[in-house]
Amino acid sequence: DQQVKQNSPSLSVQEGRISILNCDYTNSMFDYFLWYKKYPAEGPTFLISISSIKDKNEDGRFTVFLNKSAKHLSLHIVPSQPGDSAVYFCAASNSGGSNYKLTFGKGTLLTVNP
Amino acid sequence: EPEVTQTPSHQVTQMGQEVILRCVPISNHLYFYWYRQILGQKVEFLVSFYNNEISEKSEIFDDQFSVERPDGSNFTLKIRSTKLEDSAMYFCASNRQGSEQYFGPGTRLTVT
Repeated sequence: DQQVKQNSPSLSVQEGRISILNCDYTNSMFDYFLWYKKYPAEGPTFLISISSIKDKNEDGRFTVFLNKSAKHLSLHIVPSQPGDSAVYFCAASNSGGSNYKLTFGKGTLLTVNP
Repeated sequence: EPEVTQTPSHQVTQMGQEVILRCVPISNHLYFYWYRQILGQKVEFLVSFYNNEISEKSEIFDDQFSVERPDGSNFTLKIRSTKLEDSAMYFCASNRQGSEQYFGPGTRLTVT
């Protein structure tokens, strides 16, 4: 049951360039979306979120875009840095608020080459 | 910055044994969760907990699983009789009202 899909298992970019990570979802009830970053032997670390009432949210080098009609979101990292190398998880919820379960994608391994 | 902590970092147990995984959520958080990630697979929701009771649980969270908040700081996940397929990374998470979930570093459970 893949309600959240990240179709690219890996992505490699050069330092300073843009990284674009993609995520698709099938459950139209999802209304809150998050990106987490995970390093080996650590737990997921929150990066940025967006609710379904917006189509864009920006925080420093990170921007998330949401296309509700296509059920697609993307994370842009500009400029990419070697320290950004990690697994990036897209997650979604149908009750963004206080008490909600997250449904995760399988993750995309981003490698930023110096 | 406050963090979610989990102990132990690695637990090895024999099939059929009981294990307790421990978590200390961030102190002003009210909502608590357990997730797991089997090697090579996605992170999966197990259970959410608020106001001393389970709010929601997944199909994975069967009668062999239980959660407890025994005091004001700890949040535990118990597996009564472990199976080989319970081997996974178990992540605890917590959040306050209206915030994103913060995850702990995980406990790697190995069932032999």
